[in-house]
Amino acid sequence: QAQLVQSGAEVKKPGASVKVSCKASGYTFNRNGLNWVRQAPGQGLEWMGWISVYNGNTQYIQKVQDRVTMTRDISANTVYMELRSLRSDDTAVYFCAASGGSTGGAFDVWGQGTMVTVSS
Amino acid sequence: EIVLTQSPGTLSLSPGESATLSCRASQSVGSRYLAWYQQKPGQAPRLVIYGASSRAAGIPDKFSGSGSGTDFTLTVNRLEPEDSAVYYCHQYGNSPFTFGPGTKVDI
Repeated sequence: QAQLVQSGAEVKKPGASVKVSCKASGYTFNRNGLNWVRQAPGQGLEWMGWISVYNGNTQYIQKVQDRVTMTRDISANTVYMELRSLRSDDTAVYFCAASGGSTGGAFDVWGQGTMVTVSS
Repeated sequence: EIVLTQSPGTLSLSPGESATLSCRASQSVGSRYLAWYQQKPGQAPRLVIYGASSRAAGIPDKFSGSGSGTDFTLTVNRLEPEDSAVYYCHQYGNSPFTFGPGTKVDI
């Protein structure tokens, strides 16, 4: 059964960096893309960007493109999302979600989410 | 950027009734790249419909999707208390991918 397991909750001070991991199992890891979606408390879903597990190509939204890096370690079946220069409005649950399987690009497997709190 | 608008914001219904949720896009999405997700409190979203009308694995046939271009609909028949959730539409055909603001369904 396809599964994504994320790293645990983080508390960071403004200006710090956070790196969240997302480990895949139960499917062919390098066939898919891995997306990162965040959800601020009580708010909706925001797509942050995507990494091709196959070749490492990335795409980020303009809002965070200067502060975010998505990478992958194929040998570990793991994708990482690093966000730098954290601000209070980065406080959110961060989800990884796989795409590129039989659903034609829809996000069919989701991680459990990682709460990132930015507070002084 | 394609902006998705969902209506209504909240839907309060009784068990056994049907829910009709609307998603409108600011420009054509193409039916292949519109999805619906269900999210319950404290959980990750769950894919319900992809390609505007195809049910994801394990989704019962009381969920159905339709539409193309800029107007899409999710219908949930025979509502049960477990269907209470926020439902988001999502377009994944044009970058940046975007989500609608969600419709909360209370049973």
